[in-house]
Amino acid sequence: DAGITQSPRHKVTETGTPVTLRCHQTENHRYMYWYRQDPGHGLRLIHYSYGVKDTDKGEVSDGYSVSRSKTEDFLLTLESATSSQTSVYFCAIGGYGTFGSGTRLTVV
Amino acid sequence: GQSLEQPSEVTAVEGAIVQMNCTYQTSGFYGLSWYQQHDGGAPTFLSYNALDGLEETGRFSSFLSRSDSYGYLLLQELQMKDSASYFCAVSSTDKLIFGTGTRLQVFP
Repeated sequence: DAGITQSPRHKVTETGTPVTLRCHQTENHRYMYWYRQDPGHGLRLIHYSYGVKDTDKGEVSDGYSVSRSKTEDFLLTLESATSSQTSVYFCAIGGYGTFGSGTRLTVV
Repeated sequence: GQSLEQPSEVTAVEGAIVQMNCTYQTSGFYGLSWYQQHDGGAPTFLSYNALDGLEETGRFSSFLSRSDSYGYLLLQELQMKDSASYFCAVSSTDKLIFGTGTRLQVFP
């Protein structure tokens, strides 16, 4: 959707390697969210941010960290990727949640 | 904690009306929103209810009862393109938490 982009769109990585996903917005929204989506689980909140350097954990935060050094960018890092983190990752912005196109991450 | 319950699947025929329910448990409730997601795509925002009652947007209507912690999405004049997953989400303090979604299949 216009105003929010995620990169990369697809990534394959090996177990144990670090991975960073980027969410960039041009809407100047205060709120940004990272979700993962897996069959049968819907969208589960990993971390969220309510301002620059203001972040908090969601439902499934173990193994993930985030950073938000400026309003436009919200980074999600998997410090040491595991196969259980194979998923589709969505970033969303704003109170109603406008979503990016998603990143399909495969950990082999 | 927070939790939302949605039926996993609903089927209907073209031209019919379908109602998809959502019950929730949360603290700090601000409102209930609805999203549509086609296979392989990103969720897209449909509607938002902060107050009790019915909100109508074209063929889509959404209802909220705060006292019952319950809402529903109503789709009228169903079309084949409405086949998708539909998610409810609760806005609470700084967070947007999603249900597991209802998969709607529309048959000719």
